[in-house]
Amino acid sequence: EAGVTQFPSHSVIEKGQTVTLRCDPISGHDNLYWYRRVMGKEIKFLLHFVKESKQDESGMPNNRFLAERTGGTYSTLKVQPAELEDSGVYFCASSRRGEISSYEQYFGPGTRLTVT
Amino acid sequence: AQSVTQPDIHITVSEGASLELRCNYSYGATPYLFWYVQSPGQGLQLLLKYFSGDTLVQGIKGFEAEFKRSQSSFNLRKPSVHWSDAAEYFCAVGTLYASKIIFGSGTRLSIRP
Repeated sequence: EAGVTQFPSHSVIEKGQTVTLRCDPISGHDNLYWYRRVMGKEIKFLLHFVKESKQDESGMPNNRFLAERTGGTYSTLKVQPAELEDSGVYFCASSRRGEISSYEQYFGPGTRLTVT
Repeated sequence: AQSVTQPDIHITVSEGASLELRCNYSYGATPYLFWYVQSPGQGLQLLLKYFSGDTLVQGIKGFEAEFKRSQSSFNLRKPSVHWSDAAEYFCAVGTLYASKIIFGSGTRLSIRP
């Protein structure tokens, strides 16, 4: 089966601009997660979708970040306006539903975002 | 709050030598534990996982990890490393009732020829 894909792989934008990251999960995976790694620190959870519904968005840093998953398939994460501290690698992951299987998360290659 | 500590930022071992990467967690209940690896230019790949049962778990690429409840540890081991094992390794814990994963800060592994 095809893995989790993310687009773009790299994005360089100026402070104040808008960027939209896309994630295509593995087909059939209802769970979709966004994580990010900033400045070589630990990878941190941002939010979790179950199909098109936001299950947990406790990790979203502020209201400049907007995540959507229309139709319960692919997801987008928009940063508007971008700030310098938003630079990092944004990972998407997906998993099947279930008490155990939901933890078996398959990660995409990540999008490296650089805000200058 | 749940947390994961990987005390070693960077480790260098010789090819063919044994490897142990340390991981300690803080969690109020029996945790779900994971090790992930990220090779250069690649995404995170699940090496192994512990949910319950046998405390010694086997993973892919010849890795194993042992859950020690008394020490709150889940160290990763490999008896003989290969140059292709050079990567960054992340220990992680799954939080009960919410399927988000909490990661440690990672250990970068370099292999000496």
